[in-house]
Amino acid sequence: AQRVTQPEKLLSVFKGAPVELKCNYSYSGSPELFWYVQYSRQRLQLLLRHISRESIKGFTADLNKGETSFHLKKPFAQEEDSAMYYCALSGSNTGNQFYFGTGTSLTVIP
Amino acid sequence: DAMVIQNPRYQVTQFGKPVTLSCSQTLNHNVMYWYQQKSSQAPKLLFHYYDKDFNNEADTPDNFQSRRPNTSFCFLDIRSPGLGDAAMYLCATSSGRGTGDEKLFFGSGTQLSVL
Repeated sequence: AQRVTQPEKLLSVFKGAPVELKCNYSYSGSPELFWYVQYSRQRLQLLLRHISRESIKGFTADLNKGETSFHLKKPFAQEEDSAMYYCALSGSNTGNQFYFGTGTSLTVIP
Repeated sequence: DAMVIQNPRYQVTQFGKPVTLSCSQTLNHNVMYWYQQKSSQAPKLLFHYYDKDFNNEADTPDNFQSRRPNTSFCFLDIRSPGLGDAAMYLCATSSGRGTGDEKLFFGSGTQLSVL
């Protein structure tokens, strides 16, 4: 069965410091991995997906199939990055379903 | 703006009293989802519709039902809410067109309280 694990419930970093939010998954097949973000008082929204290989708001994430990880990274954290981050998984084995991790609350300290 | 709209934002019901949550979308998406999210937990998929085809998750209780009368609207019915059903309920959509460009568009959610 598919599973998404985010080991850190809370993460605090200082402004300008690098940040890494961890995500590990289990899935038999070729997964599609996503990061969703929820800013205060806003709805959950897509941040980035591995298939696009894009950098959004300075964030990047690389799919490492050997380690079954999809960690989210940013070299210099900003205060506006404070939010709840969810790693999510979909794929051919799950049909149209998307499965989420428990989320990591990121606080960037000024 | 095209969006996913959930009403109401907050819903209070009594133990055992049926309640319906609503979701509408202007994105013309094929797929509509209902997620349940309890405090500090992952959003949990309850079920989804691909067009008119209903897909229930294996562990979704029978107490939860859904209706999709047309492309734009989807409802979540809780037949006999228990205290454990108090949660945030999130509606989401995706195009379902299999273009490799799939992503979820979420509503703001309905926070359900059960007294």
